Amino acid sequence: ETGVTQSPTHLIKTRGQQVTLRCSSQSGHNTVSWYQQALGQGPQFIFQYYREEENGRGNFPPRFSGLQFPNYSSELNVNALELDDSALYLCASSLDGGSYEQYFGPGTRLTVT
Amino acid sequence: RKEVEQDPGPFNVPEGATVAFNCTYSNSASQSFFWYRQDCRKEPKLLMSVYSSGNEDGRFTAQLNRASQYISLLIRDSKLSDSATYLCVVISSPFSGGYNKLIFGAGTRLAVHP
Repeated sequence: ETGVTQSPTHLIKTRGQQVTLRCSSQSGHNTVSWYQQALGQGPQFIFQYYREEENGRGNFPPRFSGLQFPNYSSELNVNALELDDSALYLCASSLDGGSYEQYFGPGTRLTVT
Repeated sequence: RKEVEQDPGPFNVPEGATVAFNCTYSNSASQSFFWYRQDCRKEPKLLMSVYSSGNEDGRFTAQLNRASQYISLLIRDSKLSDSATYLCVVISSPFSGGYNKLIFGAGTRLAVHP
């Protein structure tokens, strides 16, 4: 196993609601990246945090935001949920932003109705 | 055009068969390439890195052709346990001295049958 955990495993929300997903990185990994994987697609990069600061972002609107904490945990927050936000959300930890190897958690499956 | 493109498959092959997956990428400045494996409803896991000189890991061989911006994965002597989705991944470093992000293809599904 990668040592990266995510919670919850599954989640059902209603359109317009807000959601917080959580990730616990490997100890010593200063970087966490978040990805969205829609059904039948590859994971899409949302953003990356390094030492509690966002240091890179993909093509996702501002209602997707994140936090990283000193204890190697992090959060992905999504406001004003839309039906298209239904997906598997994956976090991946790495030693630092320049590391090529990222270790994925098992993901949180979000369904928006 | 997508940054990383793969044939979605599915590839349905019998046990023992040899199967090859292809992937193309659009950014000629990309520097690092990988194949990940993803089982149904699970997270992606690194299968192997891809180098210009090619690399082999048991039954798996990966090749990179920078001139054609093309990556391949060959699986020999397929096993039932090889059934999964194979994701082609390109590293993008959009900012100098900054972070690396993984750009995934949509994946190629492989089903190995008895």
